[in-house]
Amino acid sequence: DAGVIQSPRHEVTEMGQEVTLRCKPISGHNSLFWYRQTMMRGLELLIYFNNNVPIDDSGMPEDRFSAKMPNASFSTLKIQPSEPRDSAVYFCASKTKGQGNTEAFFGQGTRLTVV
Amino acid sequence: DAKTTQPNSMESNEEEPVHLPCNHSTISGTDYIHWYRQLPSQGPEYVIHGLTSNVNNRMASLAIAEDRKSSTLILHRATLRDAAVYYCILEKYNNDMRFGAGTRLTVKP
Repeated sequence: DAGVIQSPRHEVTEMGQEVTLRCKPISGHNSLFWYRQTMMRGLELLIYFNNNVPIDDSGMPEDRFSAKMPNASFSTLKIQPSEPRDSAVYFCASKTKGQGNTEAFFGQGTRLTVV
Repeated sequence: DAKTTQPNSMESNEEEPVHLPCNHSTISGTDYIHWYRQLPSQGPEYVIHGLTSNVNNRMASLAIAEDRKSSTLILHRATLRDAAVYYCILEKYNNDMRFGAGTRLTVKP
């Protein structure tokens, strides 16, 4: 397996534009996580899905952020409209849903810059 | 929410063992203790996890206190490639995984 695949690797966009980040989890994994990492706030959990269903989205900063998982092999994180403070590295991770005893695999991340 | 406390940074000499501590005094009975590390410019990677007993794998060992309120990640022989931020997290039964600030490990040649 190629691991968790995120695209694009880098994104530069202007303030106010819509941004869509994509994630393909490892085949067979049924839990998927979106994280955001900045120097100031570290690695924050934004939302996670079990079996394509959002379980906890309390980390989503505001209504400008939305995430979907239409099927087991694809998820998106959308920011509309984007703002400079959204600049960060966004990571997607997947794992087999267990009782807290399975390991997660992370993608290489998408570095988002909003100017 | 159960939280973990780790030192901000630690230093080690190459080829020497490293003990990275983590306190998790509010851990609940079903929480697993996981360790991940993040190398520069990469996503986090899994290191080891455990529930009650000490664990060993090819990367490291995990020592868990009897009351489970603390744990220690042990790297038996640090190499320069082990320089990273190490995160200790508590994973809940519903797979909730939240990261703290971690410990930045510097390995000196």
